[in-house]
Amino acid sequence: DSGVTQTPKHLITATGQRVTLRCSPRSGDLSVYWYQQSLDQGLQFLIQYYNGEERAKGNILERFSAQQFPDLHSELNLSSLELGDSALYFCASSVGAGDNEKLFFGSGTQLSVL
Amino acid sequence: GDSVTQMEGPVTLSEEAFLTINCTYTATGYPSLFWYVQYPGEGLQLLLKATKADDKGSNKGFEATYRKETTSFHLEKGSVQVSDSAVYFCALSDPFLSGTYKYIFGTGTRLKVLA
Repeated sequence: DSGVTQTPKHLITATGQRVTLRCSPRSGDLSVYWYQQSLDQGLQFLIQYYNGEERAKGNILERFSAQQFPDLHSELNLSSLELGDSALYFCASSVGAGDNEKLFFGSGTQLSVL
Repeated sequence: GDSVTQMEGPVTLSEEAFLTINCTYTATGYPSLFWYVQYPGEGLQLLLKATKADDKGSNKGFEATYRKETTSFHLEKGSVQVSDSAVYFCALSDPFLSGTYKYIFGTGTRLKVLA
């Protein structure tokens, strides 16, 4: 058990809908990272938050947004969903800002857009 | 920019065979290097790491040596087991990547071990 909790584990929805994925980092970790894993594109970095502030942004679509709350949990919002958004979404956390650090991954949310 | 290149998979081996998964990197500064493993249905977990040149990371029979001269961090295991079947990701963390994301993952290499 990594200590990172992601909910829900599975999500099935329809095109055009909006969903929210939730992540609780390990106790004491200040950074939260979001990744998208699909069969054809591997592990894609989406966004990082550090202590409530956006720290780095990757290949995140404009339809997607995220935030980190004062209690350090994070939510990833996906809107106007398309079939191609079907993927496994991982959250990870680290103690600091990510320099030379170990990342702890949750078990992921499997999103299926039908 | 920084990048990590891993050998294409899948790699299929018989139990007790020797494993090598190649990983090379390019980096601006002096990165730390990592191998993560993803077992079926799970998230990634750290397997081993090395923080400077000539360091050897090891865990669960797996080893990798940080080779600055060849910019490589190949993963090896002397005798694989069926339970080692998983996807292996090479990664680097470069603190000299100012203002950007500092953690770069390779595309992953799937290993299948047959009994």
